[in-house]
Amino acid sequence: DIVMTQSPLSLPVTPGEPASISCRSSQSLLHSNGYKYVDWYLQKPGKSPQLVIYLGSNRASGVPDRFSGSGSGTDFTLKITRVEAEDVGVYYCMQALEAPFTFGGGTKVEIK
Amino acid sequence: QVHLVQSGAEAKKPGASVKVSCKVPGYMFSNYGFHWVRLAPGQRLEWMGWINAANGKTLYAQKFQGRVSITRDISAGTAYMELRSLRYEDTALYYCAKWGQQEEAFDDWGQGTLVTVSS
Repeated sequence: DIVMTQSPLSLPVTPGEPASISCRSSQSLLHSNGYKYVDWYLQKPGKSPQLVIYLGSNRASGVPDRFSGSGSGTDFTLKITRVEAEDVGVYYCMQALEAPFTFGGGTKVEIK
Repeated sequence: QVHLVQSGAEAKKPGASVKVSCKVPGYMFSNYGFHWVRLAPGQRLEWMGWINAANGKTLYAQKFQGRVSITRDISAGTAYMELRSLRYEDTALYYCAKWGQQEEAFDDWGQGTLVTVSS
């Protein structure tokens, strides 16, 4: 199985400041079609996960443009340019290249 | 975004089975794939398997092979996940998630069903 390793575990941020979360996969997530099969999800407190970024760098519908995703075949980053209070929760990366789909351990973003 | 609607919380004894439903309101149910993901206390999200609603084909994570069955009822617009021989460590929130064909990601989720395994 592909192992997804996220860091940091916890990320206290000041509103208006940037935030960055890293995710590393144990093998390349670059498909032969040119897409990188990594997605980012946010699980807000008491809610179900919601899609933030898909195929490495595409914002999901309704996601503000302060969110961006980037990365190479095995190293990926989720960035928030200016964190807002509504962005708190646990962020997970997930690889969708092959079954079983696997998730990172999660990064808890909280307001300082 | 239309959220999937799951059945309510379940309390089960070790060795029992549980069946969780996931109703899909308003979609062309057969056009999509539906996955099951769980979140156990202190653990990361864990993918269990999925079903192609059009043809009923399934794929399960090796970890759950032989204990899980994912089915669907097209007329009811509902997907099901049954987990057998329950263990204490199966205590978790179970989510169904719809696979977005454009995004190739989970673009819609159910509200979650808490399954508690306790003697």
